[in-house]
Amino acid sequence: AQRVTQPEKLLSVFKGAPVELKCNYSYSGSPELFWYVQYSRQRLQLLLRHISRESIKGFTADLNKGETSFHLKKPFAQEEDSAMYYCAPRGRKTSYDKVIFGPGTSLSVIP
Amino acid sequence: EADIYQTPRYLVIGTGKKITLECSQTMGHDKMYWYQQDPGMELHLIHYSYGVNSTEKGDLSSESTVSRIRTEHFPLTLESARPSHTSQYLCASSEYIGLAGGRGLVQFFGPGTRLTVL
Repeated sequence: AQRVTQPEKLLSVFKGAPVELKCNYSYSGSPELFWYVQYSRQRLQLLLRHISRESIKGFTADLNKGETSFHLKKPFAQEEDSAMYYCAPRGRKTSYDKVIFGPGTSLSVIP
Repeated sequence: EADIYQTPRYLVIGTGKKITLECSQTMGHDKMYWYQQDPGMELHLIHYSYGVNSTEKGDLSSESTVSRIRTEHFPLTLESARPSHTSQYLCASSEYIGLAGGRGLVQFFGPGTRLTVL
């Protein structure tokens, strides 16, 4: 069964500290993996995709196929990073274009 | 401007009323979705559509129904609202867009409708 978990519901870090938001998935095949972010009073929006291998707003995401994990990392957290983060895998072999969202991690960056 | 619109943004209504949450997009996307989300909680897919006259139920069972008569319009209806329907409802559409590393399916979300049933 397709499943995605984000073990931390809440995560608080101090400004300037490293931050890692964990995501583990259980999917058949090789899913396409995304991170979406929802800032306060803003819409849910795409943050980054694993294939891109690029840094967005200082965030990168490492795909570990062996551990089926897709953790989001940033070396120095900023106050504006405070938001809700959702890991979102999409199966490549599904007959429809459906994205499963994880339960989300609320990141709070303390000044 | 290409966007996704949801109306109303907030709705407070009594038990037993019929309601329709509107979702329209001017992005030209074929695929559209409805999610239910309680504040700070996970999103649950309740309906999706591949295109006109195509609708499917999502992972979370919902008493709501949807229709897709026009590409840009994907309304959600509750025939008889109950307090258990109190939640935020997010509409989204998606398309494959060029991203670093190749095309990827990206979802675009509306602002949401916060429904309270008394």
